[in-house]
Amino acid sequence: QSALTQPASVSGSPGQSITISCTGTSSDVGSYNLVSWYQQHPGKAPKFMTYEVSKRPSGVSNRFSGSKSGNMASLTISGLQAEDEADYYCCSYAGSSTWVFGGGTKLTVL
Amino acid sequence: QVQLQQSGPGLVKPSQTLSLTCAISGDSVSSNSAAWNWIRQSPSRGLEWLGRTYYRSNWYNDYAVSVRSRITIIPDTSKNQFSLQLNSVTPEDTAVYYCGRQVGHYFDCWGQGTLVTVSS
Repeated sequence: QSALTQPASVSGSPGQSITISCTGTSSDVGSYNLVSWYQQHPGKAPKFMTYEVSKRPSGVSNRFSGSKSGNMASLTISGLQAEDEADYYCCSYAGSSTWVFGGGTKLTVL
Repeated sequence: QVQLQQSGPGLVKPSQTLSLTCAISGDSVSSNSAAWNWIRQSPSRGLEWLGRTYYRSNWYNDYAVSVRSRITIIPDTSKNQFSLQLNSVTPEDTAVYYCGRQVGHYFDCWGQGTLVTVSS
């Protein structure tokens, strides 16, 4: 499977909202509501932020929200804070008990 | 609270076998609701899911097509851990390797990561 496509970088000012896109195909993102998003700070392991497109685990701020339309999933972060600066990765179930990640997006808080 | 602790060498020679272990605390490798995965990360390939093992009355494995001919993931119930073996490595296998617990279709707990360099 090919990696999901994400923009290399996005940026925003504190308090603003940003959206990170994640484009797949009809074989992965488009076929299943099984997209998850991960936040990774430098030198750290990824931390999961949303799952099944739009669900949030306990402990994750409601400033993080996920959505999906067709073959594209999105992560929106509202009320940007300095600590949101990190790399973000999407992941989708790709069928046949396999999973595929996106290439990652670097979020810069200006 | 689930914790995963990885161990294994950080340097492997080309053509040899990469071996890593992930020790589980706070859960069981024999859990009927979790799966135990290996994922790697490199600048050129980003995050790449490699494979998993899980128990549902029997043991099962799933592997990524890209490494299917070279990978084995083995559970060890006596030590509550699981291991990764990747054969015939090349410099392209140089990456940070993570173990991770999967619940449903997401990875909710990750090991600390191990940088493995393939070099002579």
